[in-house]
Amino acid sequence: EAGVTQSPRYAVLQEGQAVSFWCDPISGHDTLYWYQQPRDQGPQLLVYFRDEAVIDNSQLPSDRFSAVRPKGTNSTLKIQSAKQGDTATYLCASSFGTANERLFFGHGTKLSVL
Amino acid sequence: GEQVEQLPSILRVQEGSSASINCTYENSASNYFPWYKQEPGENPKLIIDIRSNMERKQTQGLIVLLDKKAKRFSLHITDTQPGDSAMYFCAASDTNTGKLTFGDGTVLTVKP
Repeated sequence: EAGVTQSPRYAVLQEGQAVSFWCDPISGHDTLYWYQQPRDQGPQLLVYFRDEAVIDNSQLPSDRFSAVRPKGTNSTLKIQSAKQGDTATYLCASSFGTANERLFFGHGTKLSVL
Repeated sequence: GEQVEQLPSILRVQEGSSASINCTYENSASNYFPWYKQEPGENPKLIIDIRSNMERKQTQGLIVLLDKKAKRFSLHITDTQPGDSAMYFCAASDTNTGKLTFGDGTVLTVKP
């Protein structure tokens, strides 16, 4: 069974540039999560979807971050006008079913904003 | 929201000894507690989890204990090996929202 796939693996930007991250969850998983993991810290939830609907985006900086999952499968996370403080690994995870099911993570995109 | 505190942040043990990591949570509605192992440059991988209807779970050298009254859970790695060296994260999931909140991690180093 294929795992969660993310691309790109790495991104290096200047402040003010935009970047998009792509995630393909495990087939059949209806719930998709985006986490931000700063260096040497735990993953912090940004947003999650059930099918195509956003369930919680309260931790997503809405002025510069956006996330979509239009067909309830793949998802894109976009940062407009990146800041140095956005430097982190962005992890996508998926699960099947309702709350408290096992999450499986992709390898993440390591973002450096210079 | 939920807050998860994880200690210690750094743990060094001798090969063959045991290692223990402790986590506390605040939200009494949390009822699912997974543990993840993350090696450098890799994604977090689920190694063991426990639900609130259990107090103890064991698998392949890993033991998880859950004390719901104290809102505390812990991971115990028995007979540690150098391959156990990694970052370990605990997490707690709110049964109402399904949101998984992570601790800040423990860097475990097993010395040969």
